[in-house]
Amino acid sequence: EPEVTQTPSHQVTQMGQEVILRCVPISNHLYFYWYRQILGQKVEFLVSFYNNEISEKSEIFDDQFSVERPDGSNFTLKIRSTKLEDSAMYFCASSGIPYGYTFGSGTRLTVV
Amino acid sequence: GIQVEQSPPDLILQEGANSTLRCNFSDSVNNLQWFHQNPWGQLINLFYIPSGTKQNGRLSATTVATERYSLLYISSSQTTDSGVYFCAVGVDYKLSFGAGTTVTVRA
Repeated sequence: EPEVTQTPSHQVTQMGQEVILRCVPISNHLYFYWYRQILGQKVEFLVSFYNNEISEKSEIFDDQFSVERPDGSNFTLKIRSTKLEDSAMYFCASSGIPYGYTFGSGTRLTVV
Repeated sequence: GIQVEQSPPDLILQEGANSTLRCNFSDSVNNLQWFHQNPWGQLINLFYIPSGTKQNGRLSATTVATERYSLLYISSSQTTDSGVYFCAVGVDYKLSFGAGTTVTVRA
């Protein structure tokens, strides 16, 4: 079964540093997403991406966040200057139509 | 935004027991999925079920879209069924997740 692949599985970074989380969506999918889950809390929507532009973003997705599809296969989430409260599990997802998501295994980001 | 309520919040089962998890949502949706989050944090897609009934092995799900609820049935539970079960609903690009039901299956 096709998978969404995320790297790294765990990243530790110092507060104020930039991080890039990487995802390889399912190859024939057209819609891409980032979600996050702070430990013990709900999974929250961050951003959706279609046709090389952001379709929708949440209030969490402020100027510190950006997304990019640099080469037609990877989909990245960049956090410019990490804060302690950015510590969370970040999930990438993709879908062939705006339904039926497949999620990746997540990247656990720890900001120290 | 769409409100999603899951019940019960916690469920403890003896191995072999059956159970029903419920998801209520506040508005019409065209996407509803059930996920299992395993102890390693991975979100495993169980069902894409905006309406109707589906079955996959010991798991089945029913969504009654007109009444805005969905049910997930676990039959003959096993210890590997332990984890958090999330219902997520949405319209077009965005999914809203419920708070989850934490299931513990004891041997």
